[in-house]
Amino acid sequence: DQQVKQNSPSLSVQEGRISILNCDYTNSMFDYFLWYKKYPAEGPTFLISISSIKDKNEDGRFTVFLNKSAKHLSLHIVPSQPGDSAVYFCAASAQGSNYKLTFGKGTLLTVNP
Amino acid sequence: DAGVIQSPRHEVTEMGQEVTLRCKPISGHNSLFWYRQTMMRGLELLIYFNNNVPIDDSGMPEDRFSAKMPNASFSTLKIQPSEPRDSAVYFCASRGTGRATEAFFGQGTRLTVV
Repeated sequence: DQQVKQNSPSLSVQEGRISILNCDYTNSMFDYFLWYKKYPAEGPTFLISISSIKDKNEDGRFTVFLNKSAKHLSLHIVPSQPGDSAVYFCAASAQGSNYKLTFGKGTLLTVNP
Repeated sequence: DAGVIQSPRHEVTEMGQEVTLRCKPISGHNSLFWYRQTMMRGLELLIYFNNNVPIDDSGMPEDRFSAKMPNASFSTLKIQPSEPRDSAVYFCASRGTGRATEAFFGQGTRLTVV
């Protein structure tokens, strides 16, 4: 049972445009969400996070939106750059879970010059 | 700090052999996680430790897998005997204290069982 779902295995956008990566979750106990970026042959690196008490968190070109009623979050990258090409993982954890992170399967983002 | 260090980076072994993966977490971090990445299942949590104590090993696929954390600076994941379906990239991650802190990942060990 996949509790965190990234339904788009891949996404291709033009440099300078907006990239929108989506993530859905089923566990209503999740209260903290993170996005990780992964380049080939490297480990995932933390990108941005959001607590369930917020609906938006922004860090430079990256913004994460959380819609609790829909159990949906998205990562917006504006403007997209070729260096953003990577696999993006959505992850979630529940209060009291001792920070057990549940990951989605990832979305491969390709930003074309 | 050099970050989370995993060894080896690559491991090729024959089916039936024992495989040991190693991890050195970031100094001062009190939580350690082992993940496995496959195309089919993405990033799966196998086991995690808090203050060297295993908290949840429900992700360990079967008894052939075992993990230890004898001290705060070292952990191992062992597969005995290994099977071709164990081929994957295995990541170790560590995290400090506090609710809203992220986990830092090592570069992973690519395991191939032939």
